[in-house]
Amino acid sequence: EAQLVESGGGLVQPGGSLRLACAASGFSLNTYSMNWVRQAPGKGLEWVSGISSSSTLIWYADSVKGRFTISRDNAKNSLYLQMNSLRAEDTAVYYCAGRGDFYYHMDVWGKGTTVTVSS
Amino acid sequence: EIVLTQSPGTLSLSAGERATLSCRASQSVSNSHFAWYQQKPGQAPRLLIYATSGRARGIPDRFSGSGSGTDFTLTISRLEPEDSAVYYCQQYGSSPLFTFGPGTKVEIK
Repeated sequence: EAQLVESGGGLVQPGGSLRLACAASGFSLNTYSMNWVRQAPGKGLEWVSGISSSSTLIWYADSVKGRFTISRDNAKNSLYLQMNSLRAEDTAVYYCAGRGDFYYHMDVWGKGTTVTVSS
Repeated sequence: EIVLTQSPGTLSLSAGERATLSCRASQSVSNSHFAWYQQKPGQAPRLLIYATSGRARGIPDRFSGSGSGTDFTLTISRLEPEDSAVYYCQQYGSSPLFTFGPGTKVEIK
């Protein structure tokens, strides 16, 4: 069974940094474009960042551009999100989600990891 | 940036009734770039419908999608108690790569 498991969330002060990880099992990530999607408490879904299967293409939402960095290691079947200069508005559950190359929907989702930015 | 608007905000129906959820885009969206997700409390979103009308693996046939251009619809033909959830529409674009609607909450009376 295809699974994604996120880790690395926690409580961090404003201006701090966190690195999220997403480990895949039951399938190989190397044919999937991967994404991070977040959900603030009581709010809807917000796409944060995406990376193509070979890392040649990377995309960011304007709200995180210049502060967050997405990366992947296909040999380790893993996805990462380095988050710097964190703000209170970055507080959310962060989901990793995959879409097959040449598809335009996300069909594999992790259960999420919670990031809380607060002093 | 394409903005998605969903209506109604909340839909309260009885089990066995038909639910019709609407999603309107501010610009035309390719059918292949449009999807629907279901999210239950405390859970991750789950893909329901892809490419406007394709049913994802394991999704019951009471769920169906339709539409084109700027107007898309998710229909649940006969509501079951387990269909109580928030439903999000999604489009794939260029900047941002993915956009989601604000969601429609479906409540089963």
